[in-house]
Amino acid sequence: SQQGEEDPQALSIQEGENATMNCSYKTSINNLQWYRQNSGRGLVHLILIRSNEREKHSGRLRVTLDTSKKSSSLLITASRAADTASYFCATDAYLVVGTYKYIFGTGTRLKVLA
Amino acid sequence: EAGVAQSPRYKIIEKRQSVAFWCNPISGHATLYWYQQILGQGPKLLIQFQNNGVVDDSQLPKDRFSAERLKGVDSTLKIQPAKLEDSAVYLCASRQGLNTGELFFGEGSRLTVL
Repeated sequence: SQQGEEDPQALSIQEGENATMNCSYKTSINNLQWYRQNSGRGLVHLILIRSNEREKHSGRLRVTLDTSKKSSSLLITASRAADTASYFCATDAYLVVGTYKYIFGTGTRLKVLA
Repeated sequence: EAGVAQSPRYKIIEKRQSVAFWCNPISGHATLYWYQQILGQGPKLLIQFQNNGVVDDSQLPKDRFSAERLKGVDSTLKIQPAKLEDSAVYLCASRQGLNTGELFFGEGSRLTVL
């Protein structure tokens, strides 16, 4: 089953605008990660935020985490056509000692128009 | 550092036939994952290995899917017999060490079942 639900499912913006996508999850986590997937390719890790962090930045990316609401958001500032991709959040779920599995959300398809 | 290698990239088979996918993770990565990604959806975890042992296969359709990771390195995922609904991209990912952290994905193997 999918742990995370991304919102919106699809987003179309003009180059230079900011893009915001949200992720909601169901159970407690240790960390939450965001990945990007270009069409026909594998997923690429963007950023990881730990459960005791509220905000994290990496270049044009800003991630927030609200564990009380079980939600996270990814903001891409000054978007470029190259940012066109699907974006997924992934949460960890404890398996056995020292081992976690990662459950991905449904994804947001971002299209940046030049 | 070489990435996660997968083959074949594309495979077309008839229903009820069998197919096998191969994955070579990043050297030294103890954890290996197989995900199934149906078009328009997020990746769904099929099976997770820690070295050569299975730590989670709760969503693996065991009547038709099997996977092994001999010697804790390469892994193969087999489907026999294939059904139409198995059409998807099969993604292999690996991670270094225990606990939580970034996953490294291969480019995936796209399966079409006719």
